[in-house]
Amino acid sequence: AQKITQTQPGMFVQEKEAVTLDCTYDTSDQSYGLFWYKQPSSGEMIFLIYQGSYDEQNATEGRYSLNFQKARKSANLVISASQLGDSAMYFCAMEYGNKLVFGAGTILRVKS
Amino acid sequence: GAGVSQSPSNKVTEKGKDVELRCDPISGHTALYWYRQSLGQGLEFLIYFQGNSAPDKSGLPSDRFSAERTGGSVSTLTIQRTQQEDSAVYLCASSPGTIPAQETQYFGPGTRLLVL
Repeated sequence: AQKITQTQPGMFVQEKEAVTLDCTYDTSDQSYGLFWYKQPSSGEMIFLIYQGSYDEQNATEGRYSLNFQKARKSANLVISASQLGDSAMYFCAMEYGNKLVFGAGTILRVKS
Repeated sequence: GAGVSQSPSNKVTEKGKDVELRCDPISGHTALYWYRQSLGQGLEFLIYFQGNSAPDKSGLPSDRFSAERTGGSVSTLTIQRTQQEDSAVYLCASSPGTIPAQETQYFGPGTRLLVL
């Protein structure tokens, strides 16, 4: 069965610095998709970035990029130039059948 | 355009009562999902609807939980005889439904359910 592991319960980063949030996954499928979502204190899940297993390039969306290492089964999220508004919970997820399987999440706090 | 909407945003109920939670997906999205987010269990899949196909109910935790989707759009999640362990945030998501397993799911703001 698919499994997502996020080993960092919480992270701090100084404003304007970059931060990497770790995500490893376990699957026997050859074709799969990986997602990152942001959940601020308001509770809504906001889609950030998607990486397909056959994508040759690492996904990027503005200040977000995904460090995809297929052989190591890792899909780390990199946030560049952190902003105070980036403080939130971040979830890594994998699509499995008709659903998303989520990791436990990482709480990110950006310090001014 | 409008995103996924859910109502009510908050619901407090007494143990044993029934509750109904509503989800309006993004217009044109044929795939609809329900998830539950609780402190002890994280984010869990509950049920999936795709067009007129039979729903995937594999995530429903007990027969007290049911969901329907009328006219391929609005969905209602019903919890009968609520228990305190049902307290959680119930999140609805939708996606275009073209290639469901590879599509981004867009989430609503959730319904916070508290069972006293």
